[in-house]
Amino acid sequence: KQEVTQIPAALSVPEGENLVLNCSFTDSAIYNLQWFRQDPGKGLTSLLLIQSSQREQTSGRLNASLDKSSGRSTLYIAASQPGDSATYLCAVSLNDMRFGAGTRLTVKP
Amino acid sequence: SQTIHQWPATLVQPVGSPLSLECTVEGTSNPNLYWYRQAAGRGLQLLFYSVGIGQISSEVPQNLSASRPQDRQFILSSKKLLLSDSGFYLCAWSPGGSGYTFGSGTRLTVV
Repeated sequence: KQEVTQIPAALSVPEGENLVLNCSFTDSAIYNLQWFRQDPGKGLTSLLLIQSSQREQTSGRLNASLDKSSGRSTLYIAASQPGDSATYLCAVSLNDMRFGAGTRLTVKP
Repeated sequence: SQTIHQWPATLVQPVGSPLSLECTVEGTSNPNLYWYRQAAGRGLQLLFYSVGIGQISSEVPQNLSASRPQDRQFILSSKKLLLSDSGFYLCAWSPGGSGYTFGSGTRLTVV
């Protein structure tokens, strides 16, 4: 059964820092990997989708990488801002989507 | 463009009462549909998914059930709610292999 792990569980950084969130999964047979953002009490907003044949995707200050063979993905956030504070979720999909528990990010002004 | 609607946004129900949460998708046909639950401080747990009308797969045995009476409608139900059913319920859709889009969620509190 696919298991997804996210490290760290929580992260607090000063504004302006670059940071990396980590995601690992146990079964490399996936269609794609998706990073989401969740604000408190809200639904999930998709940030980046990486198909299994791709190595990375970029959107603005966000860059996500995928190493399917080793079961790892990273989300890189450049020049962090207080508005980036949220929980970041990693999920992998085959027939359905399995989520990690998330990384709670706090960016301090 | 495709949109997903989920309602109600919040719900407070007594123990033992029935439940019906509805999710609809617009702008696409034959989507894969999913119900997830997020308990306080925990990750998302897949409850049900459907690849077509009347086709429901259950991930976790519990007192919840799901139905898909129409192509773009997915309903989560319970005959008698338990305290442990409290949580944040999220509906999602996927065209298959191309990422998921989530609804805004329903906060259910069972009292």
